Amino acid sequence: QVQLVQSGAELKKPGTSVNLSCKLSGNTFMSYYVHWMRQAPGQGLEWLGCIFPSGDYSVYAQRFQGRVTVTRDTSATTVSMELSSLRSDDTAVYYCATEDMTATKYFNYWGQGTLVTVSS
Amino acid sequence: QSALTQPASVSGSPGQSITISCTGTSSDIGRYKYVSWYQQHPGKAPKLMIYDVSSRPSGVSNRFSGSKSGNTVSLIISGLQAEDEADYYCTSFTGSSPAYVFGTGTKVTVL
Repeated sequence: QVQLVQSGAELKKPGTSVNLSCKLSGNTFMSYYVHWMRQAPGQGLEWLGCIFPSGDYSVYAQRFQGRVTVTRDTSATTVSMELSSLRSDDTAVYYCATEDMTATKYFNYWGQGTLVTVSS
Repeated sequence: QSALTQPASVSGSPGQSITISCTGTSSDIGRYKYVSWYQQHPGKAPKLMIYDVSSRPSGVSNRFSGSKSGNTVSLIISGLQAEDEADYYCTSFTGSSPAYVFGTGTKVTVL
């Protein structure tokens, strides 16, 4: 069993950046891809990107390319996601989720979500 | 890549069976077996219900099943229960960008 605990809610101004964290439990830290999704109020889910188990490679959705960066800190068992040049339509709940290192192509464990509000 | 198409809402009485469809294209659902379904209760994180079109994770009720035909996958909930009332999302691996595309979501109401 893996638990993912995300950082707290954020209120940001347009044009700034937000850095969210996702802490994984247990000694299985290196056994998962970690993905980031978001869900705007009353809307569906959207995939932003992921980082590989090794931590040395990340893949991002093209529409977020250049604005999103996912990194992992092995010593702290934490994955971080930075989204820059924030706009009001970036207001959403952001989730991290794991995919087994065997590249199973589904998300088996999820964090509780972090609300990011972008407002002037 | 556009979002996969799901009906906005599906309803049923307790004990009945309902089917939620999810339609994509030959570039996503039609090409890969990597389709999964997630249940989301209000204010909660999504929960994996089905993976690889029709496989169930340990701990998920066998009342949930999945199937695929062409570019469309379906989630079937049999013996509908009050606790099944939630939003349901399908997702497919695409092999391109974005690597995963989600469905528009379906609200299931238990009458």
